[in-house]
Amino acid sequence: AQKITQTQPGMFVQEKEAVTLDCTYDTSDQSYGLFWYKQPSSGEMIFLIYQGSYDEQNATEGRYSLNFQKARKSANLVISASQLGDSAMYFCAMREGYYNTDKLIFGTGTRLQVFP
Amino acid sequence: NAGVTQTPKFQVLKTGQSMTLQCAQDMNHNSMYWYRQDPGMGLRLIYYSASEGTTDKGEVPNGYNVSRLNKREFSLRLESAAPSQTSVYFCASRKTEGQLFNEQFFGPGTRLTVL
Repeated sequence: AQKITQTQPGMFVQEKEAVTLDCTYDTSDQSYGLFWYKQPSSGEMIFLIYQGSYDEQNATEGRYSLNFQKARKSANLVISASQLGDSAMYFCAMREGYYNTDKLIFGTGTRLQVFP
Repeated sequence: NAGVTQTPKFQVLKTGQSMTLQCAQDMNHNSMYWYRQDPGMGLRLIYYSASEGTTDKGEVPNGYNVSRLNKREFSLRLESAAPSQTSVYFCASRKTEGQLFNEQFFGPGTRLTVL
């Protein structure tokens, strides 16, 4: 069965420093996608970044990058130059299924706190 | 565009009561989803609808029913609420044309408490 594991319940980082949030996954599919979402204290889910299993380059979106290591089945989120507004829960998710019927499997999340 | 909207934002029910959570999206997306979020457990899929007129069970469908009323609207019904259904409920939608992997857009959530 497909599974997402986030082993860090909480992380602290100082403002302007970089931080890595870990995510490992388990799947027997050859084609899959990995997503990161941010959930601030207000509760909404905000899409950050996506990596496809066949993408050769690591995904980047502004200060967010995804360190994708396929052989190790890891898809860690790297946030560079942390800001106070980055304090939130971060969820790693994996796409299960094909095209129209795809679903997301979520990890349990990591709470990131950025301090001045 | 409002994106994905959900009503109500908060609801308190007594055990055995029924209610329907409403979700609508104005992005012309084909696929829609209902998740629940419990503390420490991330989001879990309840039901999804790949297109108008179709619905399928997700990971935790027991105690829920859904209706894909049209392309815009996807409702979640609790026929007889139980305390175990106390949770935050999120609706999401996704575009299925174009790129193979499109992200899901989430609504603001409904916080439901069952006493």
